[in-house]
Amino acid sequence: GENVEQHPSTLSVQEGDSAVIKCTYSDSASNYFPWYKQELGKGPQLIIDIRSNVGEKKDQRIAVTLNKTAKHFSLHITETQPEDSAVYFCAAPSGGYQKVTFGTGTKLQVIP
Amino acid sequence: EPEVTQTPSHQVTQMGQEVILRCVPISNHLYFYWYRQILGQKVEFLVSFYNNEISEKSEIFDDQFSVERPDGSNFTLKIRSTKLEDSAMYFCASRRQGVNEKLFFGSGTQLSVL
Repeated sequence: GENVEQHPSTLSVQEGDSAVIKCTYSDSASNYFPWYKQELGKGPQLIIDIRSNVGEKKDQRIAVTLNKTAKHFSLHITETQPEDSAVYFCAAPSGGYQKVTFGTGTKLQVIP
Repeated sequence: EPEVTQTPSHQVTQMGQEVILRCVPISNHLYFYWYRQILGQKVEFLVSFYNNEISEKSEIFDDQFSVERPDGSNFTLKIRSTKLEDSAMYFCASRRQGVNEKLFFGSGTQLSVL
């Protein structure tokens, strides 16, 4: 099945700086890569996703890049704010492609 | 935005007891899921459900687990005889169509087995 690796496990940045989280996946047939944000006591919420026919997607301060050859994708958050503090998970489809497999998560702390 | 709702938010039970976790997926969604998250760990897939049957399940989803969609709106996860290691946050999720559609998660049920 799909194996999704995520780094780093924790990340502290100063408010206003950028944060980058990286993931690799194993199944070359995977074609959809969502990113989820999980705040304390809540369920994961989709913040951005990318499909394999594009290399980059941007939504305001959040962007995701995909390198299918290397089988890795990254989340970029610019101009970080304290409310960006949360755990971020990458994911990729797996098995019969009806489910997603999550990465191990990155705890992002934005220091005011 | 539509929401997946889960009840209860917290459930405490004794080891060996049966528990039922309840979920109301978004009304026009067709695919339903249960995931769980042990404290501080990643979100793990348990089971997917489509067209009134299980479409995929993980190794975690053994004979002690079952799912049901009894009335066309609720989607339940039953653990027949709980173990200490079943303590986790359980998330229900749903999506309208296939894997490239957005997956909506509920807020979870924190299950504590004593």
